[in-house]
This record gives sequence, structure tokens and C-alpha cells, in this order.
Amino acid sequence: EAGVVQSPRYKIIEKKQPVAFWCNPISGHNTLYWYRQNLGQGPELLIRYENEEAVDDSQLPKDRFSAERLKGVDSTLKIQPAELGDSAVYLCASSLGSLAETQYFGPGTRLLVL
Amino acid sequence: KQEVTQIPAALSVPEGENLVLNCSFTDSAIYNLQWFRQDPGKGLTSLLLIQSSQREQTSGRLNASLDKSSGRSTLYIAASQPGDSATYLCAVTYQGAQKLVFGQGTRLTINP
Repeated sequence: EAGVVQSPRYKIIEKKQPVAFWCNPISGHNTLYWYRQNLGQGPELLIRYENEEAVDDSQLPKDRFSAERLKGVDSTLKIQPAELGDSAVYLCASSLGSLAETQYFGPGTRLLVL
Repeated sequence: KQEVTQIPAALSVPEGENLVLNCSFTDSAIYNLQWFRQDPGKGLTSLLLIQSSQREQTSGRLNASLDKSSGRSTLYIAASQPGDSATYLCAVTYQGAQKLVFGQGTRLTINP
């Protein structure tokens, strides 16, 4: 069974440029999560989807970040414009359903903003 | 504030030793607690999931315990091997927050 797929794996951009990350969850997983992990820290949730609906986006900086999950499968996270402080690893995870179930993580996208 | 704390931040032990990693959390109203492993440059791999009603979970050489009343969990690794070297993260799903809250992790090094 394929795991959570993310692309690109690495991205280097200059500040003020836009960037987008893509995630394909495990087949059949209704819940999808985007996390940001700063160096030496644990991941922090940015947004959680139940199918197509964003049910928790309270930690998403909405002035520059946006996300979508069309048809309840793949998801895209976008930053526009990027700032130096956005340099981090962006992790996507999925689970079958509720918060009571195990989350499976992708390898992440390592973003460096210069 | 609902937080998760892991101490120590780093641990180095000789191969073959049994070891314990610690995790503490601030609110006993939780759905579950998970232990993850993260290798350098990689995503997270779930090791053990303990539901709120459970006291412990075991998988191979790993055993995780949960004590909600004291707000603590431990991850016990038996007969450690160099391949166990990684960062171990504890995460709690708080009932109020409805999301996983992670600790900062313990970076474990097993020396051959």
C-alpha cells in the first residue's frame, strides 16, 4: 500500500515569491492534515480537512497561506508571498477518520526562503 | 495552555541497554497519546497509539505506558540497537483542542 506522497521534497525560493506544496493521502483516508515543523521542534497543525471541508484552520496564517482539497483527495498548500520565517518542513498526514486514529505522515517538503 | 513536554532533549546510550523516554502533558482530558519516530530528513512514523482508556501498548521491543492522572507517558525500548537512533516524538490529542499537540522530541543516539 502506498504511503502519503508529497512533492516537491525540497524547495528554495527568494522571499516574496509564491510556493505551493502538494499532497496525495493514503487511498480511502478521509482526514488530511498539514503541519509545519520548525528546526528542533515538533510539528504544529496548520489545517485539518474532513473530506473536502476544512474543519480546523485556526492556526493557518490566512493573510499569506491558503489550502484546498478538491474532491476530497489531493491537497495543495500555498504561500504567497513567502517570508524568511516560513522556512520549515511542511508535513502532510492522513488518517481513516477521526482524531482517535493513527495519523500517517508523508516525507515532508523542506522549504528554504532566502 | 495544553502542552506536551519531553525531557531530555537528547540522550546517548551504549548498544544493548534498556532505556526510557519521558513525556508529560498538562491536561488529563485526552483522546489518545502517540509515540512517533522521525529519522533525519524524513517524515514521522507512528510507533504506538494508546487510547485514553488504555494503560499501555506494546510492539516488539517497544512498550509505551500512559498515566492520565499524573499527565505522564513513558516509552521503554528494550535491548537498544544502533538502528534505534532517531528522534522520538510524543503527541497528545487533547479533547478540547481536537488536534495532535507534539512535544519537541528526544534525539536518541545508540552507540555501537
